[in-house]
Amino acid sequence: KAGVTQTPRYLIKTRGQQVTLSCSPISGHRSVSWYQQTPGQGLQFLFEYFSETQRNKGNFPGRFSGRQFSNSRSEMNVSTLELGDSALYLCASSSTLQGQGIGYNSPLHFGNGTRLTVT
Amino acid sequence: DAKTTQPPSMDCAEGRAANLPCNHSTISGNEYVYWYRQIHSQGPQYIIHGLKNNETNEMASLIITEDRKSSTLILPHATLRDTAVYYCIVRGPSSNTGKLIFGQGTTLQVKP
Repeated sequence: KAGVTQTPRYLIKTRGQQVTLSCSPISGHRSVSWYQQTPGQGLQFLFEYFSETQRNKGNFPGRFSGRQFSNSRSEMNVSTLELGDSALYLCASSSTLQGQGIGYNSPLHFGNGTRLTVT
Repeated sequence: DAKTTQPPSMDCAEGRAANLPCNHSTISGNEYVYWYRQIHSQGPQYIIHGLKNNETNEMASLIITEDRKSSTLILPHATLRDTAVYYCIVRGPSSNTGKLIFGQGTTLQVKP
């Protein structure tokens, strides 16, 4: 079974630009979560999509948005990039919704991430 | 979520079993123990999880003590490719949505 696939693997953008990252979950998984990982802040939750609806959201500004398609593939968009947005962006899929008191016994499977560098 | 404590680093000889301990003394009855690992510049890789019974899969075994206050991840025949940071985390019904606090983890160095 293919794992979680994220594209592109690396991106270099300039401040003020926008970027779209893509994630294909494991076949059959309907939950897709996005995380930002930096050396200083560790792993921070951005949002989770399940059945094309955003179900949970972390504490990130509105510049960070996402969507999920009917085939469970997901995209994340960051507008008006800032230097501080430089990070490894990780997508994780699961067979069940992860929040709202359920899904805690179902593992998240991560992709290898997209390394975004903002200059 | 219960807090976990792991040693910062461990060494293991290639071909030998690697035993990685984790303390989670405040774990609740319905919280699961998960293990992930992360190799530099890659995403975290799910290894195994369990509630109270010992678990085994193709990657590793998870031994949870009877009182559930600690657990051990066992890689039966470590290879150089198992060199990574290993994270033990606890998740339950009250876990913050999607939030995974990986902590500092244990850096496992497998040596030839």
